[in-house]
Amino acid sequence: QQPVQSPQAVILREGEDAVINCSSSKALYSVHWYRQKHGEAPVFLMILLKGGEQKGHEKISASFNEKKQQSSLYLTASQLSYSGTYFCGTLPNTGNQFYFGTGTSLTVIP
Amino acid sequence: KAGVTQTPRYLIKTRGQQVTLSCSPISGHRSVSWYQQTPGQGLQFLFEYFSETQRNKGNFPGRFSGRQFSNSRSEMNVSTLELGDSALYLCASSLGRRTSGDTYEQYFGPGTRLTVT
Repeated sequence: QQPVQSPQAVILREGEDAVINCSSSKALYSVHWYRQKHGEAPVFLMILLKGGEQKGHEKISASFNEKKQQSSLYLTASQLSYSGTYFCGTLPNTGNQFYFGTGTSLTVIP
Repeated sequence: KAGVTQTPRYLIKTRGQQVTLSCSPISGHRSVSWYQQTPGQGLQFLFEYFSETQRNKGNFPGRFSGRQFSNSRSEMNVSTLELGDSALYLCASSLGRRTSGDTYEQYFGPGTRLTVT
């Protein structure tokens, strides 16, 4: 029931783009994205509700395909500050429990 | 506005002992969730409380318990500690659930690093 994220880890140079995927085996009501920097607590990025919406936050955006039970996080023109572990969090259509994904470690190098 | 606070920040216990961790949510937040974070398992959901009621519980043994007080502060307790309980325990607070059923964004505390020897 824990969503699976891919890739597990990615290394980028500043300015490059990245996509992080989150797949669930359950029909989803919403997807949340969080970023956790090393030694810090996770920080909320954005929420996507079912309906296939796409949201943006500066150069970070995300989409949610409810039919495929997948969400993707897009990071464009990456900056050093984007380094960290990204987690998706999912709320299924049935049941109340919120699940975090397996995590994706993203490292941006100069 | 003060953030989520957790005490203590670090704790070392021996096997068989019990431990109580505390979480104070952001003022006005009525929902508190607890997570266990380990390198191998990632972020695992423990429980969620809303207005002093446990709304959800993850797949953890009965040794893990929690409660929430009328001021929304929450505690979690782990009895008969095992080596595998060594982890970062994170507390997150939120406004709760929207009328639509979705959950508001969660704000995490700095965590309590528990080491069991």
